[in-house]
Amino acid sequence: QQQVKQSPQSLIVQKGGISIINCAYENTAFDYFPWYQQFPGKGPALLIAIRPDVSEKKEGRFTISFNKSAKQFSLHIMDSQPGDSATYFCAASSADKLIFGTGTRLQVFP
Amino acid sequence: DAGITQSPRHKVTETGTPVTLRCHQTENHRYMYWYRQDPGHGLRLIHYSYGVKDTDKGEVSDGYSVSRSKTEDFLLTLESATSSQTSVYFCAISLQGQVNNSPLHFGNGTRLTVT
Repeated sequence: QQQVKQSPQSLIVQKGGISIINCAYENTAFDYFPWYQQFPGKGPALLIAIRPDVSEKKEGRFTISFNKSAKQFSLHIMDSQPGDSATYFCAASSADKLIFGTGTRLQVFP
Repeated sequence: DAGITQSPRHKVTETGTPVTLRCHQTENHRYMYWYRQDPGHGLRLIHYSYGVKDTDKGEVSDGYSVSRSKTEDFLLTLESATSSQTSVYFCAISLQGQVNNSPLHFGNGTRLTVT
């Protein structure tokens, strides 16, 4: 039973385009929603995070949009660059546990 | 890598043998986690620890045990390895306390193959 559902599984975007990755959750006790970025051979690293009292958070080219009533959140990467090519994971947490989505492999072509 | 060392980095073992993976941190953080990463499943929590001798189960704990006898070391043991436990294992620490207040910092992983 996947507590955090992520889509799409893979995404191909041209340089300069917008990459959008979506996640949905069931557990209303979740109160922290981070996104992680992972390059091959490395562990995931925190990219950006949001709490449910905020509908949007922006850091540079990365934006999280959060819809509490729909229990959905998404990552938008503006002006996507080849260096953004990586696997992205959404996650949700309450207290001691962080539960991840299944991941999206993003490829940005020049 | 901000104080996390996983060992070994790679291991090949036979079905039925015991295997222990080690996670060592140098920064005295209270919370430590073990995840496994598999294609199509993302990262799944195996076990975690919230202090010395304090551990709890995650999503996929069957077939795994953990121990934390000192703050800096968190051990993951496969008592009798099976082919379904072939995976990449990541250790992580929570940098600022409970994980809903803090980023997780991950090690570089251990690639385990069970033949």
